[in-house]
Amino acid sequence: DAGITQSPRYKITETGRQVTLMCHQTWSHSYMFWYRQDLGHGLRLIYYSAAADITDKGEVPDGYVVSRSKTENFPLTLESATRSQTSVYFCASSALQGDTQYFGPGTRLTVL
Amino acid sequence: KNEVEQSPQNLTAQEGEFITINCSYSVGISALHWLQQHPGGGIVSLFMLSSGKKKHGRLIATINIQEKHSSLHITASHPRDSAVYICAVRSIGGGADGLTFGKGTHLIIQP
Repeated sequence: DAGITQSPRYKITETGRQVTLMCHQTWSHSYMFWYRQDLGHGLRLIYYSAAADITDKGEVPDGYVVSRSKTENFPLTLESATRSQTSVYFCASSALQGDTQYFGPGTRLTVL
Repeated sequence: KNEVEQSPQNLTAQEGEFITINCSYSVGISALHWLQQHPGGGIVSLFMLSSGKKKHGRLIATINIQEKHSSLHITASHPRDSAVYICAVRSIGGGADGLTFGKGTHLIIQP
């Protein structure tokens, strides 16, 4: 039972390229989240999803797109990567609203 | 917006010491979470609490709703407790996006 996984774990890309970060969970949790973590900041919410086909913006959504066609997957796309999007990205899931969140291992993204 | 402040930002202690990490927040909450981030980067949830006290092994979390304050205690600290400890709160009325995180406390336990 893999739980919650992210891929790739590491990614280097160039400014202007499109990048998709994948998140997959095996628990059939309703809620899924994308966060970014940067030095000097706490974790910040990018987007979240309450169920398949239901997504909403978090604190820092600009430059990102999400989709959720299946309950278990929640990909995050950077449509045109910028250097300011260099960060560590964490995906998380929870069974219920406000419940304990379970985090993936993170993806370290570098935009050159 | 709910502000979450943690103290201290950094803490170095000797093995066996009793550790306290503090978290203060500015508005009403429905729940507070304590998370641990390992040196390798992985994040695990330690506690979720809305009142009183919870204990798990050597870890104890307390919350005072009236004072808008929570503490995480580690008894008989060990080098394997070295990690970043993160406080997060869910504001009252907050939807699924209601979690606000502190910047974390970097704890080092020396043998």
